[in-house]
Amino acid sequence: DAGVIQSPRHEVTEMGQEVTLRCKPISGHNSLFWYRQTMMRGLELLIYFNNNVPIDDSGMPEDRFSAKMPNASFSTLKIQPSEPRDSAVYFCASSRISGGVAEAFFGQGTRLTVV
Amino acid sequence: AQKVTQAQTEISVVEKEDVTLDCVYETRDTTYYLFWYKQPPSGELVFLIRRNSFDEQNEISGRYSWNFQKSTSSFNFTITASQVVDSAVYFCALPNAGNNRKLIWGLGTSLAVNP
Repeated sequence: DAGVIQSPRHEVTEMGQEVTLRCKPISGHNSLFWYRQTMMRGLELLIYFNNNVPIDDSGMPEDRFSAKMPNASFSTLKIQPSEPRDSAVYFCASSRISGGVAEAFFGQGTRLTVV
Repeated sequence: AQKVTQAQTEISVVEKEDVTLDCVYETRDTTYYLFWYKQPPSGELVFLIRRNSFDEQNEISGRYSWNFQKSTSSFNFTITASQVVDSAVYFCALPNAGNNRKLIWGLGTSLAVNP
């Protein structure tokens, strides 16, 4: 299995620009998670989907952030407009959940730098 | 409220030493899951173990072992005969109340294994 695939691995953008992060979950997994990791705040769950439906987006910092999952094999996290404080590593993770809480498998992350 | 505490911010050991990483949690759930993840210098998050609170038996996987003590709300992780490749940040995590799929993460313990 290819694992969770994220792109790009690194992104440098100027403040005010739109940024789109992409994720392909593991085939057969029914839940997808977007996390952000910073030194100051550690790992934060931004949003998660179950069967392509957003279930909990309470971690999305503000309206500048949006996430979509148009099908079971693709998700995007968009920041528009980006700000320097959005600089972080963004992880996508997926899991196969059939009751209970299953382990999630993470992608390699996207390191975002907003200058 | 759900909480995970990893009191050890950084640990440094010499190769072949045994090392224990502490994890103390608070939960209002009577049954729950606990997780450990590893984040090596390359950055990805690697799943290590999921433990159900029903099962208090210690778990061993090669040089890794986990000691779950429900009475003290601890789920400690021991690496026996540490190796340089074990150098990483290790995270303990617990689902949000109601075994929500949202994980509450500790701040991590950075382990440096020196040759």
